Amino acid sequence: AQSVAQPEDQVNVAEGNPLTVKCTYSVSGNPYLFWYVQYPNRGLQFLLKYITGDNLVKGSYGFEAEFNKSQTSFHLKKPSALVSDSALYFCAVRGEYNFNKFYFGSGTKLNVKP
Amino acid sequence: DAMVIQNPRYQVTQFGKPVTLSCSQTLNHNVMYWYQQKSSQAPKLLFHYYDKDFNNEADTPDNFQSRRPNTSFCFLDIRSPGLGDAAMYLCATGGTGRNTEAFFGQGTRLTVV
Repeated sequence: AQSVAQPEDQVNVAEGNPLTVKCTYSVSGNPYLFWYVQYPNRGLQFLLKYITGDNLVKGSYGFEAEFNKSQTSFHLKKPSALVSDSALYFCAVRGEYNFNKFYFGSGTKLNVKP
Repeated sequence: DAMVIQNPRYQVTQFGKPVTLSCSQTLNHNVMYWYQQKSSQAPKLLFHYYDKDFNNEADTPDNFQSRRPNTSFCFLDIRSPGLGDAAMYLCATGGTGRNTEAFFGQGTRLTVV
């Protein structure tokens, strides 16, 4: 069965420093992976996705993610964090057998301090 | 701009009083989803439609129903809301290709009093 895991409930980083939010996945076939961000009392906003091709995927707001097949990981990164990046981040994978469904990780709260 | 719109943004209902949340889309997507999200947890899928085909999750309570009268609109009906149903309800749409992302509305925050 497909799933994603986000091992950190919370990540703290100083403004201007690089940030990483971790995600690992479990699928038996080719993974279709997504990152979303959620600000308080808002819906989820799409950041980026990995379908195939380059392992480094660039997305919105300066975010990027690195797909690593051997480590089954899809970590979200940003070279220089902003206070406004503070939010809840979700990793998701498309279903393998019912690919209309998305399976979300438990979420990671990112705190960027001035 | 094409988008997913949820109304209302905030809904207060009385314990046991039926309530309906609405969602509309201008993306012309085949798939529409309803998620429940509590306290910054992962969104929990309640059900989804592929066109008019309704797909219920096995653990979705019978108290939750849905209607999709046409491609653009989808409704979530809670027949007898309990205190435990207080949550953020998220509507989303998606295309049928595996490489497509889901597009979310702003959500409806439901309070049960």
